[in-house]
Amino acid sequence: GQQVMQIPQYQHVQEGEDFTTYCNSSTTLSNIQWYKQRPGGHPVFLIQLVKSGEVKKQKRLTFQFGEAKKNSSLHITATQTTDVGTYFCAGTGKLIFGQGTTLQVKP
Amino acid sequence: AAGVIQSPRHLIKEKRETATLKCYPIPRHDTVYWYQQGPGQDPQFLISFYEKMQSDKGSIPDRFSAQQFSDYHSELNMSSLELGDSALYFCASSTQGGTNTGELFFGEGSRLTVL
Repeated sequence: GQQVMQIPQYQHVQEGEDFTTYCNSSTTLSNIQWYKQRPGGHPVFLIQLVKSGEVKKQKRLTFQFGEAKKNSSLHITATQTTDVGTYFCAGTGKLIFGQGTTLQVKP
Repeated sequence: AAGVIQSPRHLIKEKRETATLKCYPIPRHDTVYWYQQGPGQDPQFLISFYEKMQSDKGSIPDRFSAQQFSDYHSELNMSSLELGDSALYFCASSTQGGTNTGELFFGEGSRLTVL
């Protein structure tokens, strides 16, 4: 069945440093969604990527969808303490979530 | 704006007891999803409903069942509870189901503790 792998599992950065999390699927995805979950909170939708090779930006966040639609990445430029949380990718269909990358930002 | 409402927010049960979680999706959302999230784990897809019909099934144990009612609210029924069922259970709703799933709106979750 469909599996979505995400790396790294954890990332500690100094405030101001960049951060990237990668998502890889065992199968071709129709589209991919990214969610952020703050500690003690619920997942909150960030973005959906649909097209092969698509790149979308939201302020300091850049999302990419691979040409083969089997991988994706989220890059945060100049992290802030408000970026702390776990970032999940999810392949659509059943919305299978990756294991998530937990970001810690040291002020 | 109305959000996804889940109840109860917290639930404590003994082993072998039953529990029912309720979810009220955002009005006019046609798809409901249930997820189970253990501590430090990613949300595990359990089951989904589109227009009151089961649309997809994930890793939902046979001891669990769910349904969506005519008013679109959904209930997750869990029987013969085990310690391992202790988790945060999320319900989410969206306006689209199937391969082109729309944005999921998650509820605050129901935390089940099995003693």
